[in-house]
Amino acid sequence: LAKTTQPISMDSYEGQEVNITCSHNNIATNDYITWYQQFPSQGPRFIIQGYKTKVTNEVASLFIPADRKSSTLSLPRVSLSDTAVYYCLVGDLNTNAGKSTFGDGTTLTVKP
Amino acid sequence: DADVTQTPRNRITKTGKRIMLECSQTKGHDRMYWYRQDPGLGLRLIYYSFDVKDINKGEISDGYSVSRQAQAKFSLSLESAIPNQTALYFCATSDGTSRILTENEQFFGPGTRLTVL
Repeated sequence: LAKTTQPISMDSYEGQEVNITCSHNNIATNDYITWYQQFPSQGPRFIIQGYKTKVTNEVASLFIPADRKSSTLSLPRVSLSDTAVYYCLVGDLNTNAGKSTFGDGTTLTVKP
Repeated sequence: DADVTQTPRNRITKTGKRIMLECSQTKGHDRMYWYRQDPGLGLRLIYYSFDVKDINKGEISDGYSVSRQAQAKFSLSLESAIPNQTALYFCATSDGTSRILTENEQFFGPGTRLTVL
């Protein structure tokens, strides 16, 4: 089972780049790495997904080293509205027997 | 209109009562999921369905049952609610062709806050 470990919380200031790292030492060959954002009392929202190397979209970048045992979500120039909980999700239902391994997330607080 | 809707949004009930939470989607996805979230924690998978005839238990299925009435509808039932089932419940949908949970983006509903007294 690819258990994920993330920092519980992080603080940043507006305009800074934020990097959140997720450890997943037991990641399986078929596992994708997906990051979600969740605001209070709302469902999670997809940010980015990758399998290896680097992926970039309009809101974030995802860096995955060759061994895939960790991944780093990079948010360029954060704003107050980026204050949320960020989850790293790694999972394959076949090998994980239906365990989603969402983990407990990282609470990012962006200050003015 | 929201693509994934959940009803009710809030529910307070008593121990021993039967409760049904409903989820509907207009995204045309075959896959639907039920998660529960406890305060300060991540989401845990209760049940998931790859299509109408393919329903599977997740990590914490004990005390819950589901029904996939149609491609667009997936209901979660608590046959006899207990206080430790008090939580925020999310329904999600996704597309996909393999049995890999993280293959495709999941779209989440707004959640149902359930309190069991």
